[in-house]
Amino acid sequence: DAKTTQPNSMESNEEEPVHLPCNHSTISGTDYIHWYRQLPSQGPEYVIHGLTSNVNNRMASLAIAEDRKSSTLILHRATLRDAAVYYCIPYLMKTSYDKVIFGPGTSLSVIP
Amino acid sequence: NAGVTQTPKFQVLKTGQSMTLQCAQDMNHEYMSWYRQDPGMGLRLIHYSVGAGITDQGEVPNGYNVSRSTTEDFPLRLLSAAPSQTSVYFCASSSTTAPNSPLHFGNGTRLTVT
Repeated sequence: DAKTTQPNSMESNEEEPVHLPCNHSTISGTDYIHWYRQLPSQGPEYVIHGLTSNVNNRMASLAIAEDRKSSTLILHRATLRDAAVYYCIPYLMKTSYDKVIFGPGTSLSVIP
Repeated sequence: NAGVTQTPKFQVLKTGQSMTLQCAQDMNHEYMSWYRQDPGMGLRLIHYSVGAGITDQGEVPNGYNVSRSTTEDFPLRLLSAAPSQTSVYFCASSSTTAPNSPLHFGNGTRLTVT
C-alpha cells in the first residue's frame, strides 16, 4: 500500500501562492492521487485528484512528478478560508480498508 | 443539495448505553463508509458498504455494527458504548468504488461517552 509523507505544518501569507508537498514513493502505477482538506469542525472536503498529468480546477492545481513519487498541491492565492488540514491520499480501491488512508496531513496556517 | 447528512451533530452517552448514528446521502452513491477521527490519529475506517445489502469491516470495527438496507442510508450502531468510543464520527460516500471517484463527507457527529 502506498504510504505518504507530508510536512506537519506550513504557513503562508494571505494572497500568496502555497505549495503543499507530498511524497508517496511506494505508489503503484494505477493509484490516483487525491487531495482533501478539512476546515475546523467540518468533515473533509475533496479538493482535486490526478493520475499522471497535472490537473487544475477552481480550487487548486495538482502537480505530479514524472516518476509519480511525489505531488504538490498548489493554492494560487491563499485566503484565510484556506486555513485547514490538507491530506494527500494515493489510493486504488475503496474495497480494501487499508487502501484509503487519511494520515495526519499538513496543517496550513494563513497569516493576514 | 443536501449531500451527506449526519445526525445527530452532538451526543453524550453513558457507558453501556446504545445508540445509532444516522447517515443519509441523496446522490444515489454506491459506496458509503464510516470513519472515526481522534486527535493525532487521522481518520480511521470503521465499516464500509459497496451497495445495498453489502457491508464489510474496516480498520477499527470492534464495538460497531452497520447495515445497508437502502442505497441512501448507512446507520452506525454502538451496541454498548465505552469511553474509548469518544470521538468524532464521519460518514462518507462516493458514486462508485472506482479509484477516481471522490469521497463526499458529512459534517460529523461528536460523541462523548462518560
